[in-house]
Amino acid sequence: SAVISQKPSRDICQRGTSLTIQCQVDSQVTMMFWYRQQPGQSLTLIATANQGSEATYESGFVIDKFPISRPNLTFSTLTVSNMSPEDSSIYLCSVDPTGSDTQYFGPGTRLTVL
Amino acid sequence: AQSVTQPDIHITVSEGASLELRCNYSYGATPYLFWYVQSPGQGLQLLLKYFSGDTLVQGIKGFEAEFKRSQSSFNLRKPSVHWSDAAEYFCAVGAKAAGNKLTFGGGTRVLVKP
Repeated sequence: SAVISQKPSRDICQRGTSLTIQCQVDSQVTMMFWYRQQPGQSLTLIATANQGSEATYESGFVIDKFPISRPNLTFSTLTVSNMSPEDSSIYLCSVDPTGSDTQYFGPGTRLTVL
Repeated sequence: AQSVTQPDIHITVSEGASLELRCNYSYGATPYLFWYVQSPGQGLQLLLKYFSGDTLVQGIKGFEAEFKRSQSSFNLRKPSVHWSDAAEYFCAVGAKAAGNKLTFGGGTRVLVKP
């Protein structure tokens, strides 16, 4: 498994601003993922962020709105840009340690946009 | 495309009673199957997973799940629930061919009555 931390744990932001969420893992992993969980809903994959390549976005998510960085094997950031109240969600990162074929999740970042 | 259905949105069970959560999936080949639990305000914790082999898998916290290929199901069970089992449970499907991306079911919220 892996130990994953996210910062911030929660935030309240004004519409039109941007927030960058950090995801740190305690071991080197190639595969990282970012998910969104809207209020009362299930998880939806935003993008896959593998080190050494550009992030791959799922249908309905675009880089301009959700830019992702993956500078090394233990860290990634997701930015939620030009926020609106519809972006209020929990954002979770996950990692798939090499050879495990299993995703382990961080604690999430609860974002409220006013 | 992968899809996962959890038919029960809410389940209420008495403490000490048995629990069964249903999960049906759609995928062309044998997928990787997972159950995660999310306690209020928390991230997702892996309960158990199935890749191949014995179709009855044991997980943490006394949970088990049975893979039934003929029914495309992966139901989660616990013989005797504890008040601490009150949470939301998510079934998910992934596959190497899909880059290990996970598709989640809508979740089942479990309420435990004293």
